[in-house]
Amino acid sequence: QVQLQESGPGLVKPSETLSVTCAVSGDSVTGGPYYWTWIRQPPGKGLEWIGYIHSSGGTNYNPSLESRVVMSLDTSRNQVSLQLKSVTAADTAVYYCARRRLWVTGGYGMDVWGQGTMVAVSS
Amino acid sequence: AIQMTQSPSSLSAFVGDRVTITCRASQDIGDELGWYQQKPGKAPKLLIYAASYLQSGVPSRFSGSGSGTDFTLTISSLQPEDFATYYCLQDSNYPQTFGQGTKVEIK
Repeated sequence: QVQLQESGPGLVKPSETLSVTCAVSGDSVTGGPYYWTWIRQPPGKGLEWIGYIHSSGGTNYNPSLESRVVMSLDTSRNQVSLQLKSVTAADTAVYYCARRRLWVTGGYGMDVWGQGTMVAVSS
Repeated sequence: AIQMTQSPSSLSAFVGDRVTITCRASQDIGDELGWYQQKPGKAPKLLIYAASYLQSGVPSRFSGSGSGTDFTLTISSLQPEDFATYYCLQDSNYPQTFGQGTKVEIK
């Protein structure tokens, strides 16, 4: 059974870098192929796609965040990482990682999600 | 970016009711659309992928239809555990974009 577990700092100061990791168990981050996807949700609001890192290492980021986002794979720890630089209060959100895959029948879906980690940006 | 517009933004229904939620894309996305259910304090859960394929383990009262720009999620007989917020997500172009969500409440 594949499980994802996010962990983050809880609180980050404005202008600093937010770092969140997603530990993967029951599968390999280089398996699949998969698209390890980051999504965030500000308190009381909807879902925003941040981007993905493919199991081969390729990335695709939301243009609205692209200048501040870096995603990486850590194969030794079997985890995926998200860094968001120069944060502001608008980056306060629950950050989720999810596994997106291509189904044999065609089409994609995010079939496994972590429980999310809340990160607040405040001085 | 492709804009996804869901309607209604919220609805109230009785247990046993048939519920329909719609999602409209700002351009043709073929059948590249998924539906997700989110309960308070929990991560979203995949219900439907490729517009009409039921994810393994999801009850058959959930169904999806549509292609191009107009899509529908139907719950044939609403159950107490179905009260949640539902999101559509387009898988056709990057950046992927979600609808704004539809909150399904108990009447």
